Amino acid sequence: GNSVTQMEGPVTLSEEAFLTINCTYTATGYPSLFWYVQYPGEGLQLLLKATKADDKGSNKGFEATYRKETTSFHLEKGSVQVSDSAVYFCAPRHSGAGSYQLTFGKGTKLSVIP
Amino acid sequence: EPEVTQTPSHQVTQMGQEVILRCVPISNHLYFYWYRQILGQKVEFLVSFYNNEISEKSEIFDDQFSVERPDGSNFTLKIRSTKLEDSAMYFCASRQRGGTDTQYFGPGTRLTVL
Repeated sequence: GNSVTQMEGPVTLSEEAFLTINCTYTATGYPSLFWYVQYPGEGLQLLLKATKADDKGSNKGFEATYRKETTSFHLEKGSVQVSDSAVYFCAPRHSGAGSYQLTFGKGTKLSVIP
Repeated sequence: EPEVTQTPSHQVTQMGQEVILRCVPISNHLYFYWYRQILGQKVEFLVSFYNNEISEKSEIFDDQFSVERPDGSNFTLKIRSTKLEDSAMYFCASRQRGGTDTQYFGPGTRLTVL
């Protein structure tokens, strides 16, 4: 099955700083890749996705590019805001044929301070 | 915008008791999932459900767990005899149709087993 390695947190940044959260995965084939975000006290929200190599997912200023050569899907944002404080999860779709289950990383907690 | 809802938001139960966690998936979605997140740990897949049958289940989903779609809108997870280690946040998710792999998550039910 899949496995995911995410950058260890917590990450603390000042407002307007550049953010990178690294994510690498192991999988059979080329699964769809997702980033989910969990704001304090809330559930999981889809942040962005990419379904094939070299695709770039983007949403709310966040971006991640599907790199099959390095099996990575790093999350970036050019200028973070206090409201971006949350836990971010990288999640490839399971590799099995017909399987759509997600394998989540451990999550990276981001705190943005004014 | 349609969303997945879950009730209750917090359930407290005694060890050995049965609990039923309820989810209302997005109305035109056909595939349903349960995941759980033990406090401080990663989100783990439990089970997927389609066409009134379990499609996949993880090792966590043993005989103590069952799922049901009792009517056209609800999707439930039952734990027959809860253990302390069942304490976790339980997330329901739904997906629209085959070939569309984005799962939409509910806000979660926090289960506390005493």
